[in-house]
Amino acid sequence: SYELTQPPSVSVSPGQTASITCSGDKLGDKYASWYQQKPGQSPVLVIYQDSMRPSGIPERFSGSNSGNTATLTISGTQATDEADYYCQAWDSSPLYVFGTGTKVTVL
Amino acid sequence: EVQLVESGGGLIQPGGSLRLSCAASGLTVSGNYMSWVRQAPGKGLEWVSVFYSGGSAYYADSVKGRFTISRDNSENTLYLQMNSLRAEDTAVYYCARADCGGNSCLDLWGQGTQVTVSS
Repeated sequence: SYELTQPPSVSVSPGQTASITCSGDKLGDKYASWYQQKPGQSPVLVIYQDSMRPSGIPERFSGSNSGNTATLTISGTQATDEADYYCQAWDSSPLYVFGTGTKVTVL
Repeated sequence: EVQLVESGGGLIQPGGSLRLSCAASGLTVSGNYMSWVRQAPGKGLEWVSVFYSGGSAYYADSVKGRFTISRDNSENTLYLQMNSLRAEDTAVYYCARADCGGNSCLDLWGQGTQVTVSS
């Protein structure tokens, strides 16, 4: 079955840029989405179709997807961005594949 | 307001059954691809099942043959019937809508309902 791999953790200073990678076989041929999940809360979609932002999501969140890697970039990171982030792709089996998750810490 | 509200979770013994509900408002379950996703304690997200607007249903291998997804259009509610429950099914179960063009992502999530399988 299809698998997506993320780094377990990423640390970033306030105001700096955080990049979170998501690796999977030929991931660039699929649409990648990203979710933010804060402790005790439901996931929130922050990027879909590789680089699109839902309404209400700040412009500092951006995404790209090419080859075997999708990347979520948080520019000008704020303390409120501290959360777990999951990538997700749509495949044949299973249909909705989630990445292993990355904990972003704003130091 | 568009929202999904899950209910039906609880403590259940191994081998038991439970039915989760997801009440939708501001959208119709019949007109959308509706999915269940779970998250075990301290773990990541795991897709469980999806019910297509056309009536097809699909399952993760880990629950195939034990879980059944369904919907009641008149109640505008999605269900997940869970049978032969195991300790590893312990998780928060979220209901979510699949959209984003081509139904490739999950753009609306409920608050989740806790299922604990333990003797």
